Amino acid sequence: SQQGEEDPQALSIQEGENATMNCSYKTSINNLQWYRQNSGRGLVHLILIRSNEREKHSGRLRVTLDTSKKSSSLLITASRAADTASYFCATKTGANNLFFGTGTRLTVIP
Amino acid sequence: DADVTQTPRNRITKTGKRIMLECSQTKGHDRMYWYRQDPGLGLQLIYYSFDVKDINKGEISDGYSVSRQAQAKFSLSLESAIPNQTALYFCATGTPSGTATNTGELFFGEGSRLTVL
Repeated sequence: SQQGEEDPQALSIQEGENATMNCSYKTSINNLQWYRQNSGRGLVHLILIRSNEREKHSGRLRVTLDTSKKSSSLLITASRAADTASYFCATKTGANNLFFGTGTRLTVIP
Repeated sequence: DADVTQTPRNRITKTGKRIMLECSQTKGHDRMYWYRQDPGLGLQLIYYSFDVKDINKGEISDGYSVSRQAQAKFSLSLESAIPNQTALYFCATGTPSGTATNTGELFFGEGSRLTVL
């Protein structure tokens, strides 16, 4: 399967701390995307990084990509209680389909 | 109004029943997808369609069928539902990737929770 694997499966932090989630994948990709899912809701796109990029920022989000290690990380800085959600990485291959990982459940404690 | 609308949002049915989940979109995208989400397993692709005349199987198409009635409508059917099809189903739309403006980002509906007893 081309599905990515997120690590850790669950993460609990205090409000104001940084949260780091990692994603590993198996095959060559065109881009890697991160999505957020509030409990029982639809997924929402957060940020995309192309295979020729190494780092990207969007507000409090920072994504890195290491294609040699087939891995990516998502950093959320200065976390808020409203950041509590599940976060998924998704890899886009030449088949133009997105393959999702199993997700990291983040809990931010006020 | 939501850009991607799924109906029904919740459905409880019995084993052997035929079920249809419907999806409509106002984003004008050609590409539409059906995913299934089980706890702890992430999302798995069931079927996808790149235009009205193009239907493709995904990772887990067995037991499912789809119909692309129009650019804006893509329905998923379970011909004879079984309990292990109990899951949260998502429809999504997207554009082709490969250009500066088309990144392949997906836009999801709010999901249809199906329970098969």
